[in-house]
Amino acid sequence: RKEVEQDPGPFNVPEGATVAFNCTYSNSASQSFFWYRQDCRKEPKLLMSVYSSGNEDGRFTAQLNRASQYISLLIRDSKLSDSATYLCVVNPLRGFKTIFGAGTRLFVKA
Amino acid sequence: EAGVAQSPRYKIIEKRQSVAFWCNPISGHATLYWYQQILGQGPKLLIQFQNNGVVDDSQLPKDRFSAERLKGVDSTLKIQPAKLEDSAVYLCASSLGRQEQYFGPGTRLTVT
Repeated sequence: RKEVEQDPGPFNVPEGATVAFNCTYSNSASQSFFWYRQDCRKEPKLLMSVYSSGNEDGRFTAQLNRASQYISLLIRDSKLSDSATYLCVVNPLRGFKTIFGAGTRLFVKA
Repeated sequence: EAGVAQSPRYKIIEKRQSVAFWCNPISGHATLYWYQQILGQGPKLLIQFQNNGVVDDSQLPKDRFSAERLKGVDSTLKIQPAKLEDSAVYLCASSLGRQEQYFGPGTRLTVT
């Protein structure tokens, strides 16, 4: 089993749709979690951190389920500009090795 | 605030040649990372530095890859000799401790 797994997609959605991605991780000692966004041929950029209580930033909501070892990202009212690859990132409690998922590709169409 | 700088942006070499990449992190960031990203995959951590010291290099192919971070600031990543499967984007990132990582634009390496 991979340490961090994501559905590669692609997800093709119309503008205005709501879309959700999940990311599962295998190390129960993982401590911190993030969602990064990566545009085609660009570097990854932080979208949002994921907190235990769940957190929201505008149209984006991130949640953590420690019992089932997954994190999720919900995008409401999708925009054309949301088209990108979304990478989940896991930091373990012990040691410092950051692990990136392979990414989920999203295409938002007019 | 200046971002993470990397050079060169693109490099084409033949297999068995050597190549070096340079990274200058954000000022004050103690942690520096080198990632390899193959097309269609997520970034894979090659090596992580905390100041001058190596925190993790478990995924660095040490028979051909080497990295150093002199004086806890700039870093270089070297490949010698290169193989076809080394074709990828090499990303450098830096962070304050274990917080958000800021990435440079990457170096796109093509090995022919």
